[in-house]
Amino acid sequence: AQKITQTQPGMFVQEKEAVTLDCTYDTSDPSYGLFWYKQPSSGEMIFLIYQGSYDQQNATEGRYSLNFQKARKSANLVISASQLGDSAMYFCAMRAVGAQKLVFGQGTRLTINP
Amino acid sequence: ETGVTQTPRHLVMGMTNKKSLKCEQHLGHNAMYWYKQSAKKPLELMFVYSLEERVENNSVPSRFSPECPNSSHLFLHLHTLQPEDSALYLCASSLIGQGEAFFGQGTRLTVV
Repeated sequence: AQKITQTQPGMFVQEKEAVTLDCTYDTSDPSYGLFWYKQPSSGEMIFLIYQGSYDQQNATEGRYSLNFQKARKSANLVISASQLGDSAMYFCAMRAVGAQKLVFGQGTRLTINP
Repeated sequence: ETGVTQTPRHLVMGMTNKKSLKCEQHLGHNAMYWYKQSAKKPLELMFVYSLEERVENNSVPSRFSPECPNSSHLFLHLHTLQPEDSALYLCASSLIGQGEAFFGQGTRLTVV
């Protein structure tokens, strides 16, 4: 069985600061993918970044980067130079390669203060 | 705009009503999903359709009935719901077993 744990229910960060959102996972699958999604108050889940379990380098997408530590089973999201529009719920998720099921964590509510 | 469209965006229904939620994608995906998001709970996967065939049903009560007539459309038929079924219902699509899932904006359902 797969499990995603996000231990930070809420975070408050000053605008322009960097922020790290924690995600740890547990799986027995040898190949898997890790995903981060953003959910603003409108409800839509917006895909941010993807990391494959065999990728040698950490994924980056603009201001988003994923700090992937396979041995520690962690996949933390780093947002650089935070903006007010980054305020939202953030979800970490994983899926075994070839599987259909995408498993989500509980989410972290990020609030960016001006 | 993710390419996945859900209607309606908001729905209020009585416990004796019958209604349907609709999801549409034109991304060329061949897998579609229904998720339920209740307050203070992780997203719960309800159903998975792969190539229009239901491949997963996570112990969802029979008052929720999914339908996937083709690879672009997914429905969730609702009947005799309970107040605890009030939640945000999210539809998603992806390529089978790979890549990210794209989500719709959800239907916020309130059962009164």
